[in-house]
Amino acid sequence: GENVEQHPSTLSVQEGDSAVIKCTYSDSASNYFPWYKQELGKGPQLIIDIRSNVGEKKDQRIAVTLNKTAKHFSLHITETQPEDSAVYFCAALFNNNDMRFGAGTRLTVKP
Amino acid sequence: NAGVTQTPKFQVLKTGQSMTLQCAQDMNHEYMSWYRQDPGMGLRLIHYSVGAGITDQGEVPNGYNVSRSTTEDFPLRLLSAAPSQTSVYFCASSYESSAGTNYGYTFGSGTRLTVV
Repeated sequence: GENVEQHPSTLSVQEGDSAVIKCTYSDSASNYFPWYKQELGKGPQLIIDIRSNVGEKKDQRIAVTLNKTAKHFSLHITETQPEDSAVYFCAALFNNNDMRFGAGTRLTVKP
Repeated sequence: NAGVTQTPKFQVLKTGQSMTLQCAQDMNHEYMSWYRQDPGMGLRLIHYSVGAGITDQGEVPNGYNVSRSTTEDFPLRLLSAAPSQTSVYFCASSYESSAGTNYGYTFGSGTRLTVV
């Protein structure tokens, strides 16, 4: 069935360094790929998304890249700050109504 | 504008009990969905609705019922709670365009359910 795999499951970086999280998806028909940030005790919050007709999208320190041929997409966070510490989820939309999520990456930014 | 509101925030049930998790949104979103979040498994779709009167099953629908009588509300019912349903439940909503394109989800703050 449709699935999304996310790596790594945990990531620890020094403040100011970059962080990269990678996801792969199974359905080549998927056309929408969002990223969510979840802080402790809260619901996931959309931070950036990309559609299949675009290869890269950037919003300040956050960027997402998409390789449709290889069926993978990545989240890049530059100049990381302690407040970037959270769990990050990638997702892919299947059949327009079925959003599948990766298992999550716990990012820790050490001051 | 409250966004997506879920109640209760915490609940403990005994095996076999029933209950309803409430979800309401005030953004006039057509699309609403329920997810459960378990450690190491991300979020898994339980049920979703593309508009009032329309519901459909997601990845893990067994043991749950939903209905959508209004655009604003999308309650999730557990008919006979089991320990396997211990989880954190999130409701989400999204604007869906006339072309059937979903936009980013807005999530509620979650309901932590424990079944003993």
